[in-house]
Amino acid sequence: QVQLVQSGAEVKKPGASVKVSCKASGYTFASYFMHWVRQAPGQGLEWMGIINPSGGSATYAQKFQGRVTMTRDTSTSTVHMDLSSLRSEDTAVYYCARGDILTTYPPGVTNYWGQGTLVTVSS
Amino acid sequence: DVVMTQSPLSLPVTLGQPASISCRSSQSLVYSDGNTHLNWFQQRPGQSPRRLIYKVSNRDSGVPDRFSGSGSGTDFTLKISRVEADDVGVYYCMQGTHRPYTFGQGTKLEIK
Repeated sequence: QVQLVQSGAEVKKPGASVKVSCKASGYTFASYFMHWVRQAPGQGLEWMGIINPSGGSATYAQKFQGRVTMTRDTSTSTVHMDLSSLRSEDTAVYYCARGDILTTYPPGVTNYWGQGTLVTVSS
Repeated sequence: DVVMTQSPLSLPVTLGQPASISCRSSQSLVYSDGNTHLNWFQQRPGQSPRRLIYKVSNRDSGVPDRFSGSGSGTDFTLKISRVEADDVGVYYCMQGTHRPYTFGQGTKLEIK
């Protein structure tokens, strides 16, 4: 069965960077897009971007351009999301969510989500 | 960015009664291939979101047929024919036609 298992909670100081990982199993990793979505405490959902695990290309929401980098490691079926220059407003639960198969465009967000990773930014 | 506006934001419902959530987009969600990429997600307390409906009206596997989606262009609706206790949570619409993908503010469904 499809599983997305994310790395553990992080506490970071303002200005630092954080790397959240998402390890996929139960399907052909390189055949499906992966999205990242975040949710600030008590708030709604916010799409951050998408990565093609086959070629490694990524597209980011304008809001995060220059601060976010999404990468993948096909040897471990893991995608990573790096967010730099952290500020208090980045305190949120970060989710990876599997997208559609690579031949689908636009690639939707499907029914497979990680458990979420809480990133707390505090001095 | 496409703005998704949901209403109501709070929805108290009696068990067994129907419920309806509206979602409006600031631009048409019809993609160049003719499909409309409007999804509905449910987020139960303390859980990750779960997709219920994709492309306006298609139910995901395992989603009860009490849930239905409809609409076109910029106006969409999620209906629950008979609310059960298990339906408590926040419901989000999300458009996947235009980048960046955007979500509605969420509608909190609670039992009266």
